Order: sequence, then C-alpha cells, then structure tokens
Amino acid sequence: DTGVSQDPRHKITKRGQNVTFRCDPISEHNRLYWYRQTLGQGPEFLTYFQNEAQLEKSRLLSDRFSAERPKGSFSTLEIQRTEQGDSAMYLCASSLKVGLEDNEQFFGPGTRLTVL
Amino acid sequence: DQQVKQNSPSLSVQEGRISILNCDYTNSMFDYFLWYKKYPAEGPTFLISISSIKDKNEDGRFTVFLNKSAKHLSLHIVPSQPGDSAVYFCAARPYSSASKIIFGSGTRLSIRP
Repeated sequence: DTGVSQDPRHKITKRGQNVTFRCDPISEHNRLYWYRQTLGQGPEFLTYFQNEAQLEKSRLLSDRFSAERPKGSFSTLEIQRTEQGDSAMYLCASSLKVGLEDNEQFFGPGTRLTVL
Repeated sequence: DQQVKQNSPSLSVQEGRISILNCDYTNSMFDYFLWYKKYPAEGPTFLISISSIKDKNEDGRFTVFLNKSAKHLSLHIVPSQPGDSAVYFCAARPYSSASKIIFGSGTRLSIRP
C-alpha cells in the first residue's frame, strides 16, 4: 500500500499519561501535516513539516504537544500529560511541493485517541 | 471563530438527482478552495478544487462554483450515486500560509434509492 499510514489506529489512555503517534507519508512527499478532528467538526491544522523542518505551528498546539520528523520521512506526534480534552482523531497528511507548486494533501486513516 | 462554514449538517438526495452542498467563508485572504470527501474509518479524500481567480471548475460529475462577492461556494454532484454518500468538507487555503488548510464542519450527504 503506497498511501499515508498511521499507527496506532486507536489509543485509549488514562489522563496524565503520555502518548505517541506515528505517521508514514507517501514516500516521495516532502511535506507532512498533522490535523486534529473532534466530533462534528472538520480537521483543524496543528503543524506541518517540509522535509525535517517544522515550518508552522497552530496556537492549538500547546506546549504539551510536540511533533518531529527527524529524517524527513516518518513523523511522530507526542502528547504529554494527556487531558480528556485531547480526545480526538489525529490525522496525518502528506503532499509534494515542487517549486512554487503545492499539490493536494493525501490523508491517512487517522489515530483515534480516547483519554479516560 | 469559524472562517469556513457549512450550515447544513446533513442532506438527503434521491439517486439520479442533483446534490448541492453549500459553503460560506469569512476571510477575504483565502486564495484556494477545496472539497474533500470522507467515508467512515478513512481519512478525507481530495475531490475537487478551485482557485480564487476562477468562478467554476468541473470534473466529471462534480462542479464547484465560487461567488467571491458573496463569499460563497457550492459543490454540485450530478447525477448523484449511492457511492456519493459520505461526509463532504469544504476547505480553504489562505494567502499567508500556502500549506495550511482550514476546514468547515462538514455536511453528511445521503443518497437514497
């Protein structure tokens, strides 16, 4: 399968615990994005990388959240000291930027986080 | 502060008829608009887009119309098919951030036989 993959697909954790999610983008894509989606809402932008550089972060990304893309391939999103309000679907997307042309974003299936 | 609004949470259309999904936006700095389709347990899938310099873009059964003066866009699907049943998200991209996409809350389209 050559699409965007995310792991795990579901995560249940207790409040206060740390969690880490992984995203593997489409192999030739140089941009990778993280979004969060809560029930009844559309995805909300969190952050994005071009290669290994994190270029933009939303104000939604509190200091408990950290994202990395160390080698410009897969990315991880870590949430420390989880809160019940962190319960959501976390979506990863990737795209290929060539010159000034930024192409469509392809989304993974998401990781559903439930914080008890 | 919802910059992209989809005021109809759901829509039911008979198979073969036209489906019209609507979207309003508030930010004049959007330069690119997109529609995504989402099935349960899957991520959103890109459907069709339109640049702010155009007022219409067509791709097979799907047409997107943009009315900049009204800050309104719509997606027309004709004829509607059972496989079109999904949640449709309207989205927009601002000049200031070429990669950031702002999504609406979605409209659930059901195609009935």
